[in-house]
Amino acid sequence: GDSVTQMEGPVTLSEEACLTINCTYTATGYPSLFWYVQYPGEGLQLLLKATKADDKGSNKGFEATYRKETTSFHLEKGSVQVSDSAVYFCALYSSGGYQKVTFGTGTKLQVIP
Amino acid sequence: DAGVTQSPTHLIKTRGQQVTLRCSPKSGHDTVSWYQQALGQGPQFIFQYYEEEERQRGNFPDRFSGHQFPNYSSELNVNALLLGDSALYLCASSNQAGGYTEAFFGQGTRLTVV
Repeated sequence: GDSVTQMEGPVTLSEEACLTINCTYTATGYPSLFWYVQYPGEGLQLLLKATKADDKGSNKGFEATYRKETTSFHLEKGSVQVSDSAVYFCALYSSGGYQKVTFGTGTKLQVIP
Repeated sequence: DAGVTQSPTHLIKTRGQQVTLRCSPKSGHDTVSWYQQALGQGPQFIFQYYEEEERQRGNFPDRFSGHQFPNYSSELNVNALLLGDSALYLCASSNQAGGYTEAFFGQGTRLTVV
């Protein structure tokens, strides 16, 4: 079945440092790929998405490129802020007729001033 | 647009009891999915409802059941609660006619079983 593997955290960075959170996936067909963010005590917010190979999703300075050849969708940001501290989930939407979302285990990011 | 709303936000139940969680989808959405997120884990798919029927189910026991109403809102029922059912339960809505481009998540219901 579908699965998502992302790097374990927590990741601790100083403000303005570069961020990379690795994500790889296993899926049949042609899934869409997403990054969600979860702030403490809150639900999931969509951060960015890519629906086909070589697409780049971007939002709020975060970027991720859908790499079919390496089955990866790594999240990157050039300069993190304290407000970016949260848990980040890589996810894929199955390509079948039913929309089922498979999530990774999440990576906690802590940005210190 | 209120987005996806879930109720209650928190509740505490005793082992062996039954619980019902509620979800109102985003306006214009016809499909509701439920997820369980244990502490420190990613959400796990429980099941999905469309046209008032369960049409896909994850690896959860029959103690977990649901319902979708004609107005597309949904309920998640869990019987014979176990301590391990303590988790954040997330509802997500989407629109089949829109091609399922994105699922919108609610804020979740935090269930604690004691």
